[in-house]
Amino acid sequence: DVKVTQSSRYLVKRTGEKVFLECVQDMDHENMFWYRQDPGLGLRLIYFSYDVKMKEKGDIPEGYSVSREKKERFSLILESASTNQTSMYLCASTSQINEKLFFGSGTQLSVL
Amino acid sequence: GQNIDQPTEMTATEGAIVQINCTYQTSGFNGLFWYQQHAGEAPTFLSYNVLDGLEEKGRFSSFLSRSKGYSYLLLKELQMKDSASYLCAVRDPLTGANNLFFGTGTRLTVIP
Repeated sequence: DVKVTQSSRYLVKRTGEKVFLECVQDMDHENMFWYRQDPGLGLRLIYFSYDVKMKEKGDIPEGYSVSREKKERFSLILESASTNQTSMYLCASTSQINEKLFFGSGTQLSVL
Repeated sequence: GQNIDQPTEMTATEGAIVQINCTYQTSGFNGLFWYQQHAGEAPTFLSYNVLDGLEEKGRFSSFLSRSKGYSYLLLKELQMKDSASYLCAVRDPLTGANNLFFGTGTRLTVIP
């Protein structure tokens, strides 16, 4: 089975802190994604990557950046966390030919 | 732009049948997905439709009409464990690598 692992299940940070969310997949997938999920808004795409060192903005990239130095790892960075970034963050991956996304178990981030 | 609509909440009785509808308007179309998400957990893949018609998989079936921009997920012989959110998502090939756009989800409550 494909495994997508997110480093933290729950995270509490202070406003202005730099936050790193890590995601690792073990199936050699080319494509990786970061979503945030908020009540009433569903999943919204922040950034995605289709290859090492490649990244594309999603629908809501403001306030975020990403890093993909290795194929299996996709990091989401909040340069200066703000309270409106309190959310559930979900990482996902898929191969070029596989249709479905495989999700990690999510990181619930609270910014105080 | 992309717009995906589905009801916010539904309630159904154990053993019954429930149909969850999804309508979409997207720039392009290359498949519609249904995901199940239990509270506090990651979404898991249920079904994929790219051609018109009904796809059946055990107690779950999914239907697609591309001309109408419409899909539904049919759950038969409902069980208590089917209480979850059901996410409709459309893949739009005009927007990047396997990118999915999600609806806000339908929270289904199964009652005894």
